[in-house]
Amino acid sequence: ETGVTQSPTHLIKTRGQQVTLRCSSQSGHNTVSWYQQALGQGPQFIFQYYREEENGRGNFPPRFSGLQFPNYSSELNVNALELDDSALYLCASTSGLGSGAFFGQGTRLTVV
Amino acid sequence: QQQVKQSPQSLIVQKGGISIINCAYENTAFDYFPWYQQFPGKGPALLIAIRPDVSEKKEGRFTISFNKSAKQFSLHIMDSQPGDSATYFCAATINAGGTSYGKLTFGQGTILTVHP
Repeated sequence: ETGVTQSPTHLIKTRGQQVTLRCSSQSGHNTVSWYQQALGQGPQFIFQYYREEENGRGNFPPRFSGLQFPNYSSELNVNALELDDSALYLCASTSGLGSGAFFGQGTRLTVV
Repeated sequence: QQQVKQSPQSLIVQKGGISIINCAYENTAFDYFPWYQQFPGKGPALLIAIRPDVSEKKEGRFTISFNKSAKQFSLHIMDSQPGDSATYFCAATINAGGTSYGKLTFGQGTILTVHP
């Protein structure tokens, strides 16, 4: 059984650019949630994907968007990057069977 | 109303001591309360979780105490070890089950340092 994997691990982008982050869910998990964790803060829920559709969204602007693929993997896209978007982006997968949410190691995004 | 407030921000204990981290919430619809442990450069790892129908849950050295009337819950780490030094987060979600396990509201975190 493989855990949640994210790529890339680190990324540096320039303000105004676009970025795509990727997540492979844990084996058997059909739901993927994305979080933003600023330095020294708790993770903040961005949105969730279930059955390839958005299934709930936190307080993030539309320039944060996502996709889920038939194999349950997911992408997080951020357009028009701002300096405040610099953070650790976490992906979590769940199976819906009561085992909780399991996180990947995250992608550290730095916007300069 | 969606907030989960965590205290203290940081905690220093001696090896073998008890570490206690507290969380409080306002939204009475929350019905699943997990604790996560995060090491630097890593993602949060699920430690232990509780539902409001029980007042305590123990797994090894980790115990959650839950007080529904006070809307508070706490993590107790018995016999704390230097390897427990990490950041701990409490979290909560509404209508737990199915996809809701992934829609978590997190506390601000507690940095635990266990001295040898």
